[in-house]
Amino acid sequence: QKEVEQNSGPLSVPEGAIASLNCTYSDRGSQSFFWYRQYSGKSPELIMFIYSNGDKEDGRFTAQLNKASQYVSLLIRDSQPSDSATYLCAVNNAGNNRKLIWGLGTSLAVNP
Amino acid sequence: GAGVSQSPRYKVAKRGQDVALRCDPISGHVSLFWYQQALGQGPEFLTYFQNEAQLDKSGLPSDRFFAERPEGSVSTLKIQRTQQEDSAVYLCASSLGPAGATDTQYFGPGTRLTVL
Repeated sequence: QKEVEQNSGPLSVPEGAIASLNCTYSDRGSQSFFWYRQYSGKSPELIMFIYSNGDKEDGRFTAQLNKASQYVSLLIRDSQPSDSATYLCAVNNAGNNRKLIWGLGTSLAVNP
Repeated sequence: GAGVSQSPRYKVAKRGQDVALRCDPISGHVSLFWYQQALGQGPEFLTYFQNEAQLDKSGLPSDRFFAERPEGSVSTLKIQRTQQEDSAVYLCASSLGPAGATDTQYFGPGTRLTVL
């Protein structure tokens, strides 16, 4: 079992809809969680990070963390074609190491 | 600088050649990371520096891979006797403080290595 799992997709949503991206992780000691967006041929760029259980909102993006269930999600409201990209979930377990453990990413396509 | 820079952006090597990939982190960033990203995969951790100290190299796939950051700023990832399986994008990232729970990593554009 991979340490960080994501549905590879592709996830296809119409423009203006809510896109929901999910990520599960295996290490209960994980402390911080990151969502990165990666356009084809480009490097990852940070969308949001979350450390505490609950929701964290930033513009059209909401990250949700549930440590008991070991999942973190990213909601994108009012999806735009420019949101079409691969979304990578990364988990840092600072107690043991300084690595970011990455999921394979979910490909999102927003259709105009 | 404004962001993390990497050079070269593209490198084609013949199998068996040595290559050196350079990373210039954001000025003042303490932490520097190297990742390997194969096509369609997420990044895989290679190694981590805090200033000039290489604190974690557990992700380096073989002893052909070597990284250094001698003055705590620019870093070089060297791959000796390249093999076809080394073909990937090599990403460098930096963060402001020592790596920990609150760190955010900022990525460079990557070097795409193709080994023929």
